[in-house]
Amino acid sequence: AQKVTQAQTEISVVEKEDVTLDCVYETRDTTYYLFWYKQPPSGELVFLIRRNSFDEQNEISGRYSWNFQKSTSSFNFTITASQVVDSAVYFCALSEAPSTGGFKTIFGAGTRLFVKA
Amino acid sequence: DAGITQSPRHKVTETGTPVTLRCHQTENHRYMYWYRQDPGHGLRLIHYSYGVKDTDKGEVSDGYSVSRSKTEDFLLTLESATSSQTSVYFCAISEWATRGAYFGPGTRLTVT
Repeated sequence: AQKVTQAQTEISVVEKEDVTLDCVYETRDTTYYLFWYKQPPSGELVFLIRRNSFDEQNEISGRYSWNFQKSTSSFNFTITASQVVDSAVYFCALSEAPSTGGFKTIFGAGTRLFVKA
Repeated sequence: DAGITQSPRHKVTETGTPVTLRCHQTENHRYMYWYRQDPGHGLRLIHYSYGVKDTDKGEVSDGYSVSRSKTEDFLLTLESATSSQTSVYFCAISEWATRGAYFGPGTRLTVT
């Protein structure tokens, strides 16, 4: 069954600290896609990154980096030198193709990150 | 910004009444999704569509139905609203499900 677990409900850090948000997923498919989204206090949802199941390369974008490990079914997100503007809820998501058609995308429960000045 | 709107943005309704939420896109994207967001549950998939008249159930589809008669519109209907359906509803669109999705601004629904 398709499942995404974000075990960290809330994380609080002080500005400039590094922080890692964990995401563990379950799927029976060999082809699937993983995503991270950000929801700042204003409420909109913003796409951050996508990874497919065949590409385990880590990715870095500025202060953001993502570590995808199929062996542990994890897709973790690290923010380096956190800033107050990083305060948000972060969601991990998994997309796979059910037999009924199309691709189905489900989300984890989210991790609320507080970055204090 | 992706062209995606939701209407209404806020609604208060009474238990037992039918409610329809509309998601409209101008991007001609194939995929459209309805999610609900509740504290402690994150975003839960209600229904999704992978083409006109092609829809499927999500994780929490009971009490909801959808229709997509044209590419740009995806309607979510609460057949008989209950207080447990009080939530914020987000619509999302994606050109391909394997790409990131763009989300609408959300509809805050209160069922009294």
